[in-house]
Amino acid sequence: QLQLQESGPGLVKPSETLSLTCTVSGGSITSSSFYWGWVRQPPMKGLEWIGNIHYSGTTYYNPSLRSRVTISVDTSKNQFSLNLSSVTAADTALYYCVRQETNIKVAFDYWGQGVLVTVSS
Amino acid sequence: DIQMTQSPSSLSASVGDRITITCRASQSISTYLNWYQQKQGKAPKLLIYGASSLQSGVPSRFTGSGSGTDFTLTLRSLQPDDFATYYCQQSYSVPYTFGQGTKLEI
Repeated sequence: QLQLQESGPGLVKPSETLSLTCTVSGGSITSSSFYWGWVRQPPMKGLEWIGNIHYSGTTYYNPSLRSRVTISVDTSKNQFSLNLSSVTAADTALYYCVRQETNIKVAFDYWGQGVLVTVSS
Repeated sequence: DIQMTQSPSSLSASVGDRITITCRASQSISTYLNWYQQKQGKAPKLLIYGASSLQSGVPSRFTGSGSGTDFTLTLRSLQPDDFATYYCQQSYSVPYTFGQGTKLEI
């Protein structure tokens, strides 16, 4: 059974960089049929797609965050990561890593449990 | 960006009821429309993809329909486990966008 697990600091200071890693187990990150990405949810609010990466390195980002976001992949560790720079309180959210199936479903079919990141001094 | 608008924002129902949630896209997205269920404190769960295809393991009382700009999620014979928040999401173009959610309450 595929599992995704987020890890990283739960508290980040304003203006610093938020860094999270998602470890994939029970399956390989190098399948061509999937993109791997991040979705966030501010407290008591809706869902926002941040961006995706293919194991080949192809990335897609939300234009609203593009200037501050980098998503990378480490196939040797079966992991992918999110860096979000110059964070503010508006970046406080529950961050989920997700798998997007791209052949048939074109949907986020697996989700991590989420990690709460608070931006505060 | 494609805007996704769900209605209603909240809905009260009872066990055994049939309910419908609507999702409208700001432009045509063919059938690139997915539905998710999120329970309190949990990650969203994929219910329906491609507007009408049931994700493996999801009960058949969930049905999706629509194409173009107008979509519906129907839940028949509501069970206690169904009370949650439901989101639609378009996968037609980047940036992928979600509806604001519909909270289904008893």
